[in-house]
Amino acid sequence: QVQLQESGPGLVKPSETLSLTCTVSGGSISGYFWSWIRQSPGKGLEWIGYIYYTGSTNYNPSLKSRVTMSVDTSTNQFSLRLDSVTAADTAVYYCARYGPWSFDLWGRGTLVTVSS
Amino acid sequence: QTVVTQEPSFSASPGGTVTLTCGLSSGSVSTSHYPSWYQQTPGQTPRTLIHSTNTRSSGVPDRFSGSILGNKAALTITGAQADDESDYYCVLYMSSDIYVFGGGTKLTVL
Repeated sequence: QVQLQESGPGLVKPSETLSLTCTVSGGSISGYFWSWIRQSPGKGLEWIGYIYYTGSTNYNPSLKSRVTMSVDTSTNQFSLRLDSVTAADTAVYYCARYGPWSFDLWGRGTLVTVSS
Repeated sequence: QTVVTQEPSFSASPGGTVTLTCGLSSGSVSTSHYPSWYQQTPGQTPRTLIHSTNTRSSGVPDRFSGSILGNKAALTITGAQADDESDYYCVLYMSSDIYVFGGGTKLTVL
């Protein structure tokens, strides 16, 4: 079955860039929208944005100025870049597939801590 | 910016019926927002319960149902069980092609 796995540094310094990759296994990245969602410790879920397999994107307006997403269909991966991070960006970051009108598949999530 | 509202907490008795709601800070929720609902227990990945207002995801018991009630989306749990104790999130699709999560409802069953 299709599985998602996030990877990337667990610790990022303030003002630097957070970079994460999601690897899709057991299925193709083509034909779907792929999202990043985060959850700050003890808080709710926040949609960061999506990327379609063709490369088109849309981002949460509150993060738009700092977010870039990319996709590589040859490796079945998509990525998140979040610039100029602060402590407020400390969160568990999930990658997810947007299936029939829901986030139907989720990665296990990866904790990213912003600290010097 | 649009805010999606949910009850911060809700308490239910075992065997009882629970209705959690998902509203908008401005305006009404409709099927055009394609409401979806997720269950998350502490330390776990969210699990999809309902999409497109009222379609249950694969493997979800029919105790869970979705609807539009008045100007809000609703998740109803019929016959609440102890292991339904979780956080529940709704998500709405907005016309600007973005998705907005509600703040979540912490359901206690006791």
